[in-house]
Amino acid sequence: AQKITQTQPGMFVQEKEAVTLDCTYDTSDQSYGLFWYKQPSSGEMIFLIYQGSYDEQNATEGRYSLNFQKARKSANLVISASQLGDSAMYFCAMSKLSFGAGTTVTVRA
Amino acid sequence: GAGVSQSPSNKVTEKGKDVELRCDPISGHTALYWYRQSLGQGLEFLIYFQGNSAPDKSGLPSDRFSAERTGGSVSTLTIQRTQQEDSAVYLCASRRTGGGYEQYFGPGTRLTVT
Repeated sequence: AQKITQTQPGMFVQEKEAVTLDCTYDTSDQSYGLFWYKQPSSGEMIFLIYQGSYDEQNATEGRYSLNFQKARKSANLVISASQLGDSAMYFCAMSKLSFGAGTTVTVRA
Repeated sequence: GAGVSQSPSNKVTEKGKDVELRCDPISGHTALYWYRQSLGQGLEFLIYFQGNSAPDKSGLPSDRFSAERTGGSVSTLTIQRTQQEDSAVYLCASRRTGGGYEQYFGPGTRLTVT
């Protein structure tokens, strides 16, 4: 079984600053994938970034980067240079259908 | 190209009635997922279809819930004898296999049981 834990229900960040969203996971699988999704108030789920368990380098996609620490079973999302449009709920997920409870990010001007 | 579509976008029904929610995945995507999201909550997995394999129904909350996927494409989620606690947004996602890992989500169906 897989389990995802997101311990931060809500976070505030100042525009142009970086924010780190925590995600820890538990799995007995040797090979797995980790995802981050963004869900704005409009409700759609938007894929942000993917990290494979055997990937040697941390994934990056534009202003998004994934701080993958396999031994600690953590896959934190870092959003750099926050923008007002980044205000949304963010979900960490694993490849076998497990989603975390989500973290709400509010970017302040 | 067309994304995942879901219909209806909103459904209001009376307690005890049956409802059907439809999902049209992206053409060629062999994997299809149904999730439920209650207000302000995370996603709860319901059911997963992969090609012609038997679906993974481990997330269905009760026998009032069922889903089918016809011809490996369109899927219908049916909720019988709806209850107020069934009120949620029902999200469908599809994924291509053979190298793809990203799930593409539909806009969801907001179900309200009165």
